[in-house]
Amino acid sequence: KQEVTQIPAALSVPEGENLVLNCSFTDSAIYNLQWFRQDPGKGLTSLLLIQSSQREQTSGRLNASLDKSSGRSTLYIAASQPGDSATYLCAVVARNNDMRFGAGTRLTVKP
Amino acid sequence: ETGVTQSPTHLIKTRGQQVTLRCSSQSGHNTVSWYQQALGQGPQFIFQYYREEENGRGNFPPRFSGLQFPNYSSELNVNALELDDSALYLCASSLREGAPLEAFFGQGTRLTVV
Repeated sequence: KQEVTQIPAALSVPEGENLVLNCSFTDSAIYNLQWFRQDPGKGLTSLLLIQSSQREQTSGRLNASLDKSSGRSTLYIAASQPGDSATYLCAVVARNNDMRFGAGTRLTVKP
Repeated sequence: ETGVTQSPTHLIKTRGQQVTLRCSSQSGHNTVSWYQQALGQGPQFIFQYYREEENGRGNFPPRFSGLQFPNYSSELNVNALELDDSALYLCASSLREGAPLEAFFGQGTRLTVV
């Protein structure tokens, strides 16, 4: 059974700092991995999708990497801003479209 | 805006009642998945519908049931509500043509059972 773990559970940084969020998964037989952002009480916003054949994806100040063999993904946020404050969730997707989530990292960026 | 809409946004029900939540998938998407998210937790997979057929189910009892319609919109029904059913219910749509592609989520329905 796929288990997804996100570390740290919470993170507080000053504005402008670069930061890394970690995601690990136990079963490397994934089809893709998706990073989401969730604001309090809201739905999920897709940030980046990495196919299993890819090593990384970039969108603006965000960069996500994937090492399928070691069961790890990282989300790198450059030059953090207070508007980046949210919970960040990673989810791994099996070929049968079964999507499993981590519990998330709650990020606070202080002005 | 993802194009995935859920209704209602909030509702309050009494223990033992039944509830129906609705989801309109993004145009062109043929797969809808439902998730339950308790406070401070990641979403938990309830079930998925692909082309109107149930295509996978998580560890939820049979009182959680669903439907997908020919236009690929979907309903989640929960019978005999319990206090622990209080959560944010999320719907995700995606296009699956042989392999899963990017999932897009609605804003969720906040269910409170009292």
